[in-house]
Amino acid sequence: ETGVTQSPTHLIKTRGQQVTLRCSSQSGHNTVSWYQQALGQGPQFIFQYYREEENGRGNFPPRFSGLQFPNYSSELNVNALELDDSALYLCASSLAGTSGRTGANVLTFGAGSRLTVL
Amino acid sequence: AQSVTQLDSHVSVSEGTPVLLRCNYSSSYSPSLFWYVQHPNKGLQLLLKYTSAATLVKGINGFEAEFKKSETSFHLTKPSAHMSDAAEYFCVVSDRGGYTGGFKTIFGAGTRLFVKA
Repeated sequence: ETGVTQSPTHLIKTRGQQVTLRCSSQSGHNTVSWYQQALGQGPQFIFQYYREEENGRGNFPPRFSGLQFPNYSSELNVNALELDDSALYLCASSLAGTSGRTGANVLTFGAGSRLTVL
Repeated sequence: AQSVTQLDSHVSVSEGTPVLLRCNYSSSYSPSLFWYVQHPNKGLQLLLKYTSAATLVKGINGFEAEFKKSETSFHLTKPSAHMSDAAEYFCVVSDRGGYTGGFKTIFGAGTRLFVKA
């Protein structure tokens, strides 16, 4: 059973640029969530993808967008980067049950992608 | 709407003394509750979870938490702190939030635990 892998691990961009972060889900998981963790803060929910569709979004502007692919891997895209976008971006996969409360969404996290915007 | 409030941003204890990290939550749906731990420069690790079974939940490394619906609390405890427990702890609430699939999971701001020798 493979865990969640994210790439790249570190990257540096300048203001105004665009970035794509990638995530491979844990085998058997069908849901991917993305979080932004600024230094010294808790992870902030960006959005979640289920069956290739966005299924929930936090308080992030539209320049944060994503994709989920048929193999449940995912991308996070951020356009027009700002200095405040500097953070650790965490991907988490989980298995969403189709009914009831089984498999109550234990998240398996990747190690994160550290983005620095200069 | 969901919310999670961790009542202490920092907690400092001496090694061998009890640990109490406090968490209150709000959810419009029957939530699942979790505690995650994040050691410096390491990934988030699940400590324990509550999903409507027993209200006293035991986790890894001697931690446990009690779900109290009347108080909307899910405090994390450990009888005796160890130096290796020093880390950031996050209380997490997850519910369906009205979504057609999956759950929405949000984190508290975190509590930094310091353990003194």
